[in-house]
Amino acid sequence: DVKVTQSSRYLVKRTGEKVFLECVQDMDHENMFWYRQDPGLGLRLIYFSYDVKMKEKGDIPEGYSVSREKKERFSLILESASTNQTSMYLCASSLLGLARNEQFFGPGTRLTVL
Amino acid sequence: GQQVMQIPQYQHVQEGEDFTTYCNSSTTLSNIQWYKQRPGGHPVFLIQLVKSGEVKKQKRLTFQFGEAKKNSSLHITATQTTDVGTYFCADGRGSNYKLTFGKGTLLTVNP
Repeated sequence: DVKVTQSSRYLVKRTGEKVFLECVQDMDHENMFWYRQDPGLGLRLIYFSYDVKMKEKGDIPEGYSVSREKKERFSLILESASTNQTSMYLCASSLLGLARNEQFFGPGTRLTVL
Repeated sequence: GQQVMQIPQYQHVQEGEDFTTYCNSSTTLSNIQWYKQRPGGHPVFLIQLVKSGEVKKQKRLTFQFGEAKKNSSLHITATQTTDVGTYFCADGRGSNYKLTFGKGTLLTVNP
C-alpha cells in the first residue's frame, strides 16, 4: 500500500514564525501536492511538483513556498506565518503518466497560527 | 480557473434512505474522480470515470458520468452509518496529474 506521511498531526505556531511542513511518500511517485482544506471551501491546491527540484504554483500559492530535493519528500514552507494560514494541510502523491492518476493523501497537519 | 460545482453541500438522511450528490461543470470534464473523507480522516480515492455516459458500481454505490461529460453523480442505495463522511468529486483537467476538487457534500446518517 502507498503510504504518505506528514511530519505532524497538530502544530501551533505564532504569527511571523517560519513554518515547515514535511511530507514523505514511499511508493516512488513522481507527483506530489500540497492542499489546504477549510470548511466550506473544499480542497485548494497550493503547490505541486512533478519531479525533483520542479514545482508549479497551484490555485493559492501566495504566502507559501515549497522544496523538493528528493523524490520522496515534499516540503511546504510558510515564510512568515499569519493567522489566515490556520488550516488543515494535506499532502498527496500520484504516479505520472497513468491514465488513472488517483491521488494518495497523507493524514493531514492541522496548523493553528496564533 | 475551471470550477467544479458540487451539490448539495450537506445532506442528512435516515439510515436506509438513498443519497445522491451531483458534480457539475460549465465546460467539458476530462475525467471525474470521486473521493470519500471520513470525519477526522483524509480523502480516499473511490473511482475514476472517463467515458461519456459511463456507469460504474461498487456494492451500494453507483457512479455516473454524463453523456456530455459536464456532470457526474454518486448515488448510495440504502445508506448505512458507515457511509458518513464528505464526498468529493475532482476533475482531471486534461493533465495527468492535477485535479480540481469540488467543495464536497457532507453526508450524515441518523441510525
